[in-house]
Amino acid sequence: EAQVTQNPRYLITVTGKKLTVTCSQNMNHEYMSWYRQDPGLGLRQIYYSMNVEVTDKGDVPEGYKVSRKEKRNFPLILESPSPNQTSLYFCASSLQGVGEKLFFGSGTQLSVL
Amino acid sequence: AQSVTQPDIHITVSEGASLELRCNYSYGATPYLFWYVQSPGQGLQLLLKYFSGDTLVQGIKGFEAEFKRSQSSFNLRKPSVHWSDAAEYFCAVGPHNAGNMLTFGGGTRLMVKP
Repeated sequence: EAQVTQNPRYLITVTGKKLTVTCSQNMNHEYMSWYRQDPGLGLRQIYYSMNVEVTDKGDVPEGYKVSRKEKRNFPLILESPSPNQTSLYFCASSLQGVGEKLFFGSGTQLSVL
Repeated sequence: AQSVTQPDIHITVSEGASLELRCNYSYGATPYLFWYVQSPGQGLQLLLKYFSGDTLVQGIKGFEAEFKRSQSSFNLRKPSVHWSDAAEYFCAVGPHNAGNMLTFGGGTRLMVKP
């Protein structure tokens, strides 16, 4: 089954403790992206990647890192999480970019205390 | 910079009634326009998209949307709402010719009364 898999689904952590949210897709998609969703603000793009070793900043990249060492994986790294990064995070992928249909993961609810 | 406004945060309609969700965008050139739907606890699913050509686009689940350049709008419509349509709906705009930034509106939560 074609899908985007995020882990974990829920995560509670403390300020400053490094964490990684994994994202994997099995559709051989070139494009992958991370979004955060906050009430009333919709989804805001954090980072995106057009291909292996190619990443670019979105609207709200501060405090986040990403890497794209393999085509299928696009982890989101919070080196020193802060409470304002408490949010619902989504990974998405598409064949070649935002003009194609985006496939979304089920989301990761992160709470930073 | 591109932006999207969805003026209605919540909308309640009766089952079987018609629906229109509003979306206004700001973009300096011809945009890509999208509507996505998010059911509770789920990721987003594409309903429909507009790139060019016919300004009335048909999507899945009986939805349609009309691109009006003069009004910078891309409103979503459905003639008869079903209880399963209760969800949050997001309008999004992207660049037509380059780049891969997608900007979402704040969302409209639809509730359906029996």
